[in-house]
Amino acid sequence: DQQVKQNSPSLSVQEGRISILNCDYTNSMFDYFLWYKKYPAEGPTFLISISSIKDKNEDGRFTVFLNKSAKHLSLHIVPSQPGDSAVYFCAASDRRADDMRFGAGTRLTVKP
Amino acid sequence: DTGVSQDPRHKITKRGQNVTFRCDPISEHNRLYWYRQTLGQGPEFLTYFQNEAQLEKSRLLSDRFSAERPKGSFSTLEIQRTEQGDSAMYLCASSLSAGNGELFFGEGSRLTVL
Repeated sequence: DQQVKQNSPSLSVQEGRISILNCDYTNSMFDYFLWYKKYPAEGPTFLISISSIKDKNEDGRFTVFLNKSAKHLSLHIVPSQPGDSAVYFCAASDRRADDMRFGAGTRLTVKP
Repeated sequence: DTGVSQDPRHKITKRGQNVTFRCDPISEHNRLYWYRQTLGQGPEFLTYFQNEAQLEKSRLLSDRFSAERPKGSFSTLEIQRTEQGDSAMYLCASSLSAGNGELFFGEGSRLTVL
């Protein structure tokens, strides 16, 4: 059962433009959402998170938006840089159950 | 280096053999997780420990899989009688139970079963 879905396996954007990565979830018990970035031959690294009590969280060039009614979150990267090229995983957690589920990932390519 | 370390990074084995992976978490982290990742998929939860107690196991974790964390520090994941379908990247992660839920991942151990 895929409770966290990233429907776009890949995304390509030009340097300096905005990258928007999308994620949908089905479990209404999820109350914490995270984005991880993964470079080849490395483990995923934490990027940004948002609690279900918020609808937006910013950290520098990265902003995560949460729409609970639609069970949808998105990651905005602006401006995009070539070093942002990586696979981005969306993750959702029910912190009471300590159960974190990951999406299949979106490969972002930022072209110079 | 104070990150999560995993060993070995790559293991090639023949079907039917047993393999064991080791994970050393960040020293002050009391939670340790094992995930499996196959090509084109995100990490799938296998099991997690709080200190030495194994608190949850996924139904993905068949009887051939066993994980231990005997002293609440490092952990081992053993796969007995490996099958070709076990070929995957096995990721270990650690966290603080009182933290923000962020997991710190190791680089993974890639298993290839021939």
